[in-house]
Amino acid sequence: DAGVTQSPTHLIKTRGQQVTLRCSPISGHKSVSWYQQVLGQGPQFIFQYYEKEERGRGNFPDRFSARQFPNYSSELNVNALLLGDSALYLCASSFAGQLNTEAFFGQGTRLTVV
Amino acid sequence: QQQVKQSPQSLIVQKGGISIINCAYENTAFDYFPWYQQFPGKGPALLIAIRPDVSEKKEGRFTISFNKSAKQFSLHIMDSQPGDSATYFCAASKVNTDKLIFGTGTRLQVFP
Repeated sequence: DAGVTQSPTHLIKTRGQQVTLRCSPISGHKSVSWYQQVLGQGPQFIFQYYEKEERGRGNFPDRFSARQFPNYSSELNVNALLLGDSALYLCASSFAGQLNTEAFFGQGTRLTVV
Repeated sequence: QQQVKQSPQSLIVQKGGISIINCAYENTAFDYFPWYQQFPGKGPALLIAIRPDVSEKKEGRFTISFNKSAKQFSLHIMDSQPGDSATYFCAASKVNTDKLIFGTGTRLQVFP
């Protein structure tokens, strides 16, 4: 079985640009969450989507947005990139969005803003 | 506000030894406590998880001990191997949510 897949694996962007990151959850999983992991720190929660609805949002500015598609895949968009947005962006999928079941992470997208 | 505190920041253990990583939480609404293992350049991988209705859970060489009254939980890695060298994160989530609050991580190095 395929795990959580994220694309691209690496990305370099310039300050002020916009970026879109993609995530495909494990087959049968309906919940997708996004996390930001800055080097040397634990992942920080950005968004959770369940059945195409936003179910949670972390303490991130409005430059960050996300959506979930009918096939449960998800996109994370970040506008007006700042140097501080450089991080590993992780997607996690789980079966049920409100029963704190096991969350499985993808390999992440390494975003570098220059 | 750091809701999950993890220690130590780094840990060096000899092969065959026991690795112990501790976490403490503040919010009594947390009711799910997973541990993740992360290798450089990879996403976190779920190792083992516990809910507060049990005090201990063992899976192979990995054991979680949970102390509800002290609001603390720990990961024990028995017979530590060089392949266990990675960063370990504890986490917690509240009932009816998948939002995970992570600790700051422990870098474990196991030397032969």
